[in-house]
Amino acid sequence: SQTIHQWPATLVQPVGSPLSLECTVEGTSNPNLYWYRQAAGRGLQLLFYSVGIGQISSEVPQNLSASRPQDRQFILSSKKLLLSDSGFYLCAWSVPTGLFGANVLTFGAGSRLTVL
Amino acid sequence: QQPVQSPQAVILREGEDAVINCSSSKALYSVHWYRQKHGEAPVFLMILLKGGEQKGHDKISASFNEKKQQSSLYLTASQLSYSGTYFCGTVYGGSQGNLIFGKGTKLSVKP
Repeated sequence: SQTIHQWPATLVQPVGSPLSLECTVEGTSNPNLYWYRQAAGRGLQLLFYSVGIGQISSEVPQNLSASRPQDRQFILSSKKLLLSDSGFYLCAWSVPTGLFGANVLTFGAGSRLTVL
Repeated sequence: QQPVQSPQAVILREGEDAVINCSSSKALYSVHWYRQKHGEAPVFLMILLKGGEQKGHDKISASFNEKKQQSSLYLTASQLSYSGTYFCGTVYGGSQGNLIFGKGTKLSVKP
């Protein structure tokens, strides 16, 4: 069966410090991978998605970046965190169905980031 | 382009019914519904791919009115386990096919 791991679960970082969140998927190959951010009152905001190794698409301009060094590994990074980067970060994966609009997401447990 | 969910929050007693709406100003290609319990990850409930489609399992069902650009989630005879925040995720035609989520509807079911 497929599982998704995300870490760290919780972290508190000072403004201006770097960030690295990691996500790995097991039990599937060539998944689509996603990073979403959940901020209070704003729902789930898509940050990045990837359809393959080294292929990253950004949905919103920000000081965050993403990388996919391996097929089932997705990393969210920042060189200098801002206060506004605080939030709940969710990694998700889907199996490409070939049917437009039908990719069902499975989310990881999330990483709660507090920037002070 | 974020879909609009209503109501923002609803409080029910066990056994009562609720309807959560999701509407868009743009034509929708598909609608997904997810539920997130406090402190946990969102979990997929159902997907509606065709206008006029209705789906359901247990006592939770949904409809998709393509022409009205909206979807509704129906919770019948609510149980305590239904508590959580419900999100609709929409896919727009001509997009990359990724889900754009609404802000969520917080449902609280009381004994």
